[in-house]
Amino acid sequence: AQKITQTQPGMFVQEKEAVTLDCTYDTSDPSYGLFWYKQPSSGEMIFLIYQGSYDQQNATEGRYSLNFQKARKSANLVISASQLGDSAMYFCAMREEPGGSYIPTFGRGTSLIVHP
Amino acid sequence: NAGVTQTPKFQVLKTGQSMTLQCAQDMNHEYMSWYRQDPGMGLRLIHYSVGAGITDQGEVPNGYNVSRSTTEDFPLRLLSAAPSQTSVYFCASSYDRQEYNEQFFGPGTRLTVL
Repeated sequence: AQKITQTQPGMFVQEKEAVTLDCTYDTSDPSYGLFWYKQPSSGEMIFLIYQGSYDQQNATEGRYSLNFQKARKSANLVISASQLGDSAMYFCAMREEPGGSYIPTFGRGTSLIVHP
Repeated sequence: NAGVTQTPKFQVLKTGQSMTLQCAQDMNHEYMSWYRQDPGMGLRLIHYSVGAGITDQGEVPNGYNVSRSTTEDFPLRLLSAAPSQTSVYFCASSYDRQEYNEQFFGPGTRLTVL
C-alpha cells in the first residue's frame, strides 16, 4: 500500500486564483513529518513547507499553507494567488519517527499548470 | 556551501556498461539517499546511508551498489546498465533521522541506457 497518495495527476488554475493540491498519507506512527517539494521544469527539487504531526497549527510559508487534517490523514498544499512561476510538479513526502521508516517516502506528484 | 552536488548531469550508456554516479555534500549530513524518478512514479528510494560505513537498501535496489567511505561522498554504481535503468537520479541528504529535518537534493543526473 502506498504511504503517500496524491490523487490529482494534473491540475489547472487561473493566475491569481488559489489552488489546493491533495495529499493523503498512511502511518501508524504517532510522530511524523510531512513535506511538500516543488519541481519546476528545470528539474531541481525545492523544499516548500513542513508540518509536524504534533503541530497544533497549520504550517504557512508565504503563499504556501498546509491544510493538515490529522484525523483524516491529509496534508493538502494550498497555494494562494497563483503565479505563472508556480507551474511545476509538486510532491508530498512523509518522514516517520526515528524508530520507524525514517527515510522519506514520496507520492507520485501532481502537475500544476497556471494559466494567464 | 555548495550543498549537494551530483556529477555528471547527463549520461548515455550502452546496455551492459558500468558507471558510477557521484554525489557529495558539504553540510556534514549523516543521512544520504539515492532516488530515481520515472514519469508517473514519483521518487523511489534505491539505497540510503545513515553514516560512513553504513548503507541499506531501499525500495528498488536491484542493479545498483553503494558505499559510504566518508561522510561527504555517496556514489551510486550501476554494475551492468539496462534500458530499465533509464531515469533521472537524485541524491539527497539530511542532517539526521529526526522527522522534522528536510532533505536537500542535488540537481539530478539524467541517465539514458540504449
